[in-house]
Amino acid sequence: DIQMTQSPSSLSASVGDRVTITCQASQDISNYLNWYQQKPGKAPKLLIYDASNLETGVPSRFSGSGSGTDFTFTISSLQPEDIATYYCQQYDNLPGTFGPGTKVDIK
Amino acid sequence: QVQLVQSGAEVKKPGASVKVSCKASGYTFTGYYMHWVRQAPGQGLEWMGRINPNSGGTNYAQKFQGRVTMTRDTSISTAYMELSRLRSDDTAVYYCARDREYYDSSGIFDLWGRGTLVTVSS
Repeated sequence: DIQMTQSPSSLSASVGDRVTITCQASQDISNYLNWYQQKPGKAPKLLIYDASNLETGVPSRFSGSGSGTDFTFTISSLQPEDIATYYCQQYDNLPGTFGPGTKVDIK
Repeated sequence: QVQLVQSGAEVKKPGASVKVSCKASGYTFTGYYMHWVRQAPGQGLEWMGRINPNSGGTNYAQKFQGRVTMTRDTSISTAYMELSRLRSDDTAVYYCARDREYYDSSGIFDLWGRGTLVTVSS
């Protein structure tokens, strides 16, 4: 199975800050990488697919980049409603493994 | 509206089985693969498998092979996930999630159910 790692595991930032999360795959997954947001007690929500494509209805402050094994997720200006855990997920091959998550909160 | 409605919470004893349902509405049920993902308390997300509602074909994660069965009833647009020989570490929220791709499987999950908590305890 392809292993996914994320860093940091948690972060605290101020409203308006730029937040960056990295995700690394154990082997080349091309651009088959998604990012999900999960708020406490809720189901995950798709934010970014194919590494850099913004899902319909998702605010443009969210973005993703990368290919191969190294990926980046960015919130350009952190908002209070962005408090959540963010997961990357590869789907180059089954099983579609998730990263361990990055918990984001407000400083 | 487009949604997935899951069955309610379950409490099971070790060794028992549980069957979770996921009823789709607002879209063509047979057109989109359904995946099952679970999340243990305080833990991350774990893909369990997928079913093609059109053909009934399934793929399961190696970890669950022999214990999980995914089925569907197209007449009521409902997918099911049954997990047998339950252990305490199967305690988790179980989600169904629709694949984004029409009549194919992309591995992109664009619609999720609210989750079903399964508690395994003696």
